[in-house]
Amino acid sequence: EIVLTQSPGTLSLSPGERATLSCRASQSVSNIYLAWYQQKPGQAPRLLIYGASSRATGLPDRFSGSGSGTDFTLTISRLEPEDFAVYYCQQYGSSPITFGQGTRLEIK
Amino acid sequence: QVQLQESGPGLVMPSETLSLTCTVAGYSISSGYFWGWIRQPPGRGLEWIGNFYHSGSNYYNPSLKSRVTISVDTSKNQFSLNLSSVTAADTALYYCAKVLDGSYYLDAFDIWGQGTMVTVSS
Repeated sequence: EIVLTQSPGTLSLSPGERATLSCRASQSVSNIYLAWYQQKPGQAPRLLIYGASSRATGLPDRFSGSGSGTDFTLTISRLEPEDFAVYYCQQYGSSPITFGQGTRLEIK
Repeated sequence: QVQLQESGPGLVMPSETLSLTCTVAGYSISSGYFWGWIRQPPGRGLEWIGNFYHSGSNYYNPSLKSRVTISVDTSKNQFSLNLSSVTAADTALYYCAKVLDGSYYLDAFDIWGQGTMVTVSS
């Protein structure tokens, strides 16, 4: 089973700043099958990025994903108030599908 | 527009079977795609339970495989989750979801239900 470790656990930033979230895998993720989700309180996760760098339909271009192998990054170039939430990475390159423990992005 | 809605009891007794249903609107399950169940214990992260295809292919998380069954009722455009011998550790928000690409069970999930909370307690 591939274990995904997200860092930091909590990130405190201000609107307009740049956010960089990390997801590290215990083994190489096949075919860069790595996704990112955003979850707000009381809501289901929302798919942001798949295939490590492909944006989901309608996602603002301030969100970008990168990485390969075992190291992946989600970058939000200029934080908007609605971006403050919990972010999860997910690998689907091998079974079982696994998720990271999440990074909480909070307003500073 | 595809929409998913979970339903089922909010309280299950320990050692009994948890049964949930996901009703799909806006797309026929029998037309394709893999569909799945994911859960989230209170205040914690996400855990994949399993995915299935309407033709009968099922793939489960090995950590739950001995207790999980996913089935489909194409006439009602629904699929169900049964989790047997539940304990307090199975208390969670349970989501049903649709995979993104559809051609394989290992995939991201692009459409999610709102989730249903299940508490295991006597």
